[in-house]
Amino acid sequence: DTEVTQTPKHLVMGMTNKKSLKCEQHMGHRAMYWYKQKAKKPPELMFVYSYEKLSINESVPSRFSPECPNSSLLNLHLHALQPEDSALYLCASSQEIWTGFGRGNTIYFGEGSWLTVV
Amino acid sequence: AQRVTQPEKLLSVFKGAPVELKCNYSYSGSPELFWYVQYSRQRLQLLLRHISRESIKGFTADLNKGETSFHLKKPFAQEEDSAMYYCALRQGGSEKLVFGKGTKLTVNP
Repeated sequence: DTEVTQTPKHLVMGMTNKKSLKCEQHMGHRAMYWYKQKAKKPPELMFVYSYEKLSINESVPSRFSPECPNSSLLNLHLHALQPEDSALYLCASSQEIWTGFGRGNTIYFGEGSWLTVV
Repeated sequence: AQRVTQPEKLLSVFKGAPVELKCNYSYSGSPELFWYVQYSRQRLQLLLRHISRESIKGFTADLNKGETSFHLKKPFAQEEDSAMYYCALRQGGSEKLVFGKGTKLTVNP
């Protein structure tokens, strides 16, 4: 199993709603990531979790709240979002975070969750 | 700060023609370079990484540190190669993968 599974595939939410995006992998990977991809733009890193601990937060607004309940799951809790937050949210995982030049741990991406904020 | 530049937003070639997707980077240290591909309605997936020096689906890419380039090449393009291609860089010691803006390749019959 080399898949990263994301649910839901599509989500429409109002600006006052609270919703969550979910991500799951069963490859034994200990690093998990959230990326945001706007239309016709490259993915941009939001968060990195390493061994279930938040490793990187790329100055993401607090209306996005990540959670890593265990080594296989990664959630992104959404609250009070703005229309400009509408995008494709990509989850990814890798065996571990970078541990030495040359390792080149492959980062596997999920299909993404299309989020529309109305 | 590291930066990845893909100068061509769109690239169109005919089937059987050679194709080269350009990627230049700026980073003062020793980077790891990758090519990711995204076919229509499919997930982003790794195509190549420079340390492996491998050929996948006929594509190759060589890291040229003098020119700070990592161009993706294929001698004979196929229609199924039509996709969005992203060059990406990861600096040593970092989990952060920085993507270029992407090049949309269209291979015409």
